[in-house]
Amino acid sequence: DSGVTQTPKHLITATGQRVTLRCSPRSGDLSVYWYQQSLDQGLQFLIQYYNGEERAKGNILERFSAQQFPDLHSELNLSSLELGDSALYFCASSVGVDSSYNEQFFGPGTRLTVL
Amino acid sequence: AQSVTQLDSHVSVSEGTPVLLRCNYSSSYSPSLFWYVQHPNKGLQLLLKYTSAATLVKGINGFEAEFKKSETSFHLTKPSAHRRDAAEYFCVVSVKERTGGGNKLTFGTGTQLKVEL
Repeated sequence: DSGVTQTPKHLITATGQRVTLRCSPRSGDLSVYWYQQSLDQGLQFLIQYYNGEERAKGNILERFSAQQFPDLHSELNLSSLELGDSALYFCASSVGVDSSYNEQFFGPGTRLTVL
Repeated sequence: AQSVTQLDSHVSVSEGTPVLLRCNYSSSYSPSLFWYVQHPNKGLQLLLKYTSAATLVKGINGFEAEFKKSETSFHLTKPSAHRRDAAEYFCVVSVKERTGGGNKLTFGTGTQLKVEL
């Protein structure tokens, strides 16, 4: 158990809908990262927040947005969902802002299915 | 831009024989390199990392990797495979963002390791 929690574990929804994925980092970790894992795209970094501020951005679509709250939990919002958004979404956390030196701990993931 | 190439999508070994998972990287800056493991239906776990210190890095569960700048490689090895090593392994490069101070992790496509009895 990494100490990172993600809810829900599974989510099934329809195209065009909007969903929110939630992540609670390990106690004491200030950075939160979001990743998408799909069969055709592999594992892709989406975005990083550190202490409430966006710090790095990857291949995140404009339909997707994230935020980190004062209690350090984070939410990933996915809107106007398409079939291709079906994937496993991971959250990770680390102590510092620089993950070159601070190990990232991954949550168990949220499996999103868009029908 | 940084990238990693995992040369084998599937590797099959017999239990008790050596494991070699190959990874080549490309980076404009001094990279940090990692190997992560993902067991079925689980999140990712860090095996080891290279951050410009010793070029031979030892990780958990008997794995190690050697950073070779001249070959731009970071291959993962283990002297003797065990059944529990069967999983997917990802080679990852991290480059610090110029602004913002954050990092982008770029993952390889993964190598599925099968360990046969």
